[in-house]
Amino acid sequence: SAVISQKPSRDICQRGTSLTIQCQVDSQVTMMFWYRQQPGQSLTLIATANQGSEATYESGFVIDKFPISRPNLTFSTLTVSNMSPEDSSIYLCSVAGGRDTQYFGPGTRLTVL
Amino acid sequence: GENVGLHLPTLSVQEGDNSIINCAYSNSASDYFIWYKQESGKGPQFIIDIRSNMDKRQGQRVTVLLNKTVKHLSLQIAATQPGDSAVYFCAENGENAGNMLTFGGGTRLMVKP
Repeated sequence: SAVISQKPSRDICQRGTSLTIQCQVDSQVTMMFWYRQQPGQSLTLIATANQGSEATYESGFVIDKFPISRPNLTFSTLTVSNMSPEDSSIYLCSVAGGRDTQYFGPGTRLTVL
Repeated sequence: GENVGLHLPTLSVQEGDNSIINCAYSNSASDYFIWYKQESGKGPQFIIDIRSNMDKRQGQRVTVLLNKTVKHLSLQIAATQPGDSAVYFCAENGENAGNMLTFGGGTRLMVKP
């Protein structure tokens, strides 16, 4: 499986600011995904990061709040914009693997004050 | 630590006993299922998967059972060890193509020494 890293691993931010999270994969992958995991909850898909085109967002998530970049097949960023305490979550990137599975990065733990 | 699993159902087992974690899935069109393990401070880790043309698949100390009639998936862990303590999530591919997954609510496994 691919080795996936995320930066930062955690951050504490003030409300109204924005944070950009980076996801780096050690091999080229076709599909990358971004998830949110709120405290004590399961994973919710934010969007599919498409290389060379706009991300595909799930219901309830919009580009203005969560802009995503995918400049190449090994890298993606997720920005959490104009943050509020409700955005405090773990943000996870994942990549598509064989057998239709997904492999996850270690996550970015965000706390918004 | 962090709040992963704080509000999730909890299964407590004695070290050395067998564990059974259950998952009810919702989409009868799903034909691929995965179990993930998420330890505190880490991203979800792939454990085992199964396709709908099978009803059982075994790995090292783990077995996944699929009952399509009642849309039920279970993960059995043999001789549970303290290192098995984590939150376990099932995931299904639903009607989606292209590796997209829907995650279940999760179960927290606690292993007592």
